Amino acid sequence: AQTVTQSQPEMSVQEAETVTLSCTYDTSESDYYLFWYKQPPSRQMILVIRQEAYKQQNATENRFSVNFQKAAKSFSLKISDSQLGDAAMYFCAYRTPPSAGNMLTFGGGTRLMVKP
Amino acid sequence: DAGVTQSPTHLIKTRGQQVTLRCSPKSGHDTVSWYQQALGQGPQFIFQYYEEEERQRGNFPDRFSGHQFPNYSSELNVNALLLGDSALYLCASSPRQVYEQYFGPGTRLTVT
Repeated sequence: AQTVTQSQPEMSVQEAETVTLSCTYDTSESDYYLFWYKQPPSRQMILVIRQEAYKQQNATENRFSVNFQKAAKSFSLKISDSQLGDAAMYFCAYRTPPSAGNMLTFGGGTRLMVKP
Repeated sequence: DAGVTQSPTHLIKTRGQQVTLRCSPKSGHDTVSWYQQALGQGPQFIFQYYEEEERQRGNFPDRFSGHQFPNYSSELNVNALLLGDSALYLCASSPRQVYEQYFGPGTRLTVT
């Protein structure tokens, strides 16, 4: 079974600074997707960024980028120019291959606080 | 275009009772997945419905059951509620089994 581990229960960053959230996962599959989701107090789970395992290039979405190290099974999220609206719970998630049903396995989450 | 909707927003039930939660997927999506998120934890996969059948199931007891209707909407039923069933229940939909999932706002269930 796949497992996803987020070793940082809480992180804090000053507004406009950069912060990196860590995630490691365990799988025997070669084809999979990885995601970072943001969950603000409103509870809505919002997709931040995704990475296909077969792509070596790290995904980037505006201020959000990932450092995907497939051999190390590491998938960190970097948030640049942090904004107050970035404060939320962040979850790393692994998606099983299509043949295994597109299930998401989530990590335990990292609470990000942004200081003005 | 409405996103994924869930009802009710929150509800309170007594131990031993039964509950039904509802989910309407995003327009054009035919696959619905349900997740349980206990307080302070990440969501855990319950099951997934596609073409009105349960396709995948996580490590949840048979007290948890579901249904998908021809219009792709879905229900999650939980029987014989336990205190430990108190959680946020999230519904997620996708166009097909192979695409990323879009989440609804969740239903907060409290069992007393």
